Amino acid sequence: DGGITQSPKYLFRKEGQNVTLSCEQNLNHDAMYWYRQDPGQGLRLIYYSQIVNDFQKGDIAEGYSVSREKKESFPLTVTSAQKNPTAFYLCASIRDTMNTEAFFGQGTRLTVV
Amino acid sequence: GEDVEQSLFLSVREGDSSVINCTYTDSSSTYLYWYKQEPGAGLQLLTYIFSNMDMKQDQRLTVLLNKKDKHLSLRIADTQTGDSAIYFCAESLGSSNTGKLIFGQGTTLQVKP
Repeated sequence: DGGITQSPKYLFRKEGQNVTLSCEQNLNHDAMYWYRQDPGQGLRLIYYSQIVNDFQKGDIAEGYSVSREKKESFPLTVTSAQKNPTAFYLCASIRDTMNTEAFFGQGTRLTVV
Repeated sequence: GEDVEQSLFLSVREGDSSVINCTYTDSSSTYLYWYKQEPGAGLQLLTYIFSNMDMKQDQRLTVLLNKKDKHLSLRIADTQTGDSAIYFCAESLGSSNTGKLIFGQGTTLQVKP
């Protein structure tokens, strides 16, 4: 079955550590996105990539980094520079930017301990 | 700038209709979406409407768009306990052509038996 897979489902990070969240899709979609969800604030865009080897900052990119070396994969690194990383992170993909439907992964809940 | 607003909470009785409202600011929106999120899960696309349409019906779901007032609503007929979830309104920006979505804060729908 085609879909978008995020791992791990739960992740714990110590202060000062970098952690990487995985997002893989087998839908052959061109565009991929990372959103952060905080209670009562909806989803905010961190980074997005419309094509392999290219990505753009979203609205809250500070303290995060991404790569897009393969079409199927768009990992997100939460660096120690991100001061408040505890949140629910959602990855999404779209076939192309003219397409209507975004497919979402099941999310990764990151907690700083 | 772009902004999407929703009320945060709605409570209805099973069998009643639910109406979730949303307002947006960007007049260049091409598509407007309704997503459903169950606890601890990703977002599932429920329905969408193109900006030149007034209404779209899909089984128990009716979407109404008032483009003049930039107001979008989702009506769920015969609401069931399984409809309890967070509902997000989102817009895609025709001017940007990036596939980015701007989300509202989400409306938590509570369905009482």
